[in-house]
Amino acid sequence: KQEVTQIPAALSVPEGENLVLNCSFTDSAIYNLQWFRQDPGKGLTSLLLIQSSQREQTSGRLNASLDKSSGRSTLYIAASQPGDSATYLCAVDTWGAQKLVFGQGTRLTINP
Amino acid sequence: NAGVTQTPKFQVLKTGQSMTLQCAQDMNHNSMYWYRQDPGMGLRLIYYSASEGTTDKGEVPNGYNVSRLNKREFSLRLESAAPSQTSVYFCASSAATYTGELFFGEGSRLTVL
Repeated sequence: KQEVTQIPAALSVPEGENLVLNCSFTDSAIYNLQWFRQDPGKGLTSLLLIQSSQREQTSGRLNASLDKSSGRSTLYIAASQPGDSATYLCAVDTWGAQKLVFGQGTRLTINP
Repeated sequence: NAGVTQTPKFQVLKTGQSMTLQCAQDMNHNSMYWYRQDPGMGLRLIYYSASEGTTDKGEVPNGYNVSRLNKREFSLRLESAAPSQTSVYFCASSAATYTGELFFGEGSRLTVL
C-alpha cells in the first residue's frame, strides 16, 4: 500500500528565502506525482505534475523534482513571497492503483 | 470559467438525515472524484468515476452512494448521516480516464450533529 509522507508539517521562513518542501513515498512504481497548493477554506490547486519518466518540472518560481529510486520528491520555491503562504500537498498515483494517495501536507508561512 | 462547482458550500444535518452533494464540471473531463478531508487524516478518496456510466469505490466508501448523472455531473449521497461524516468534501475531475492532473472544487463543509 502506497504511503506518502511530508515533513515538516509546518514551516515558517522570512520573505525572500529559497526553500524546499519534501515528499517521500514508499512504493516506487509510480505513474505520476503531483504537487498542490491549498489556501485556508479553499480547494486544492494543481501546481506541477511530474510523469514517472520525468526528473523535474518547472513553473515560474516553482521547481519540482522526482527521484523514484529513493522514493522522494522536492518542491523548490525561489524567492519566497508572503503570497506563497499556504498548505502544500503532494500526491502519488501508483501503477494499478487508479487513484491518488495524498500526503498530509506542509503548512508554509512566509513572514514579511 | 467555472471549472468544478460544488453545492452546497455549507450544510448542517442531524444524525439520520439524508442529503446529496452536487458536483458539476465544465471542462469535458472524463474522470470525477469525491474526497473527504479531515484533520490528521489528509485527503481520502470516497468514490470515483473513470467515465460516464461507471463508478468505483475508493478508500472510504461506507455510508455513501454516488451517481454519475452524465459526463458533467457526479453527486454524492449520504443516506443516513452520522457524526463521523462531519468533514469537508471535495469534488475533483481530470481529463484522463484515470487520475492525471486533478482540478478541485472549493469544497462543501458538512457538520452532522
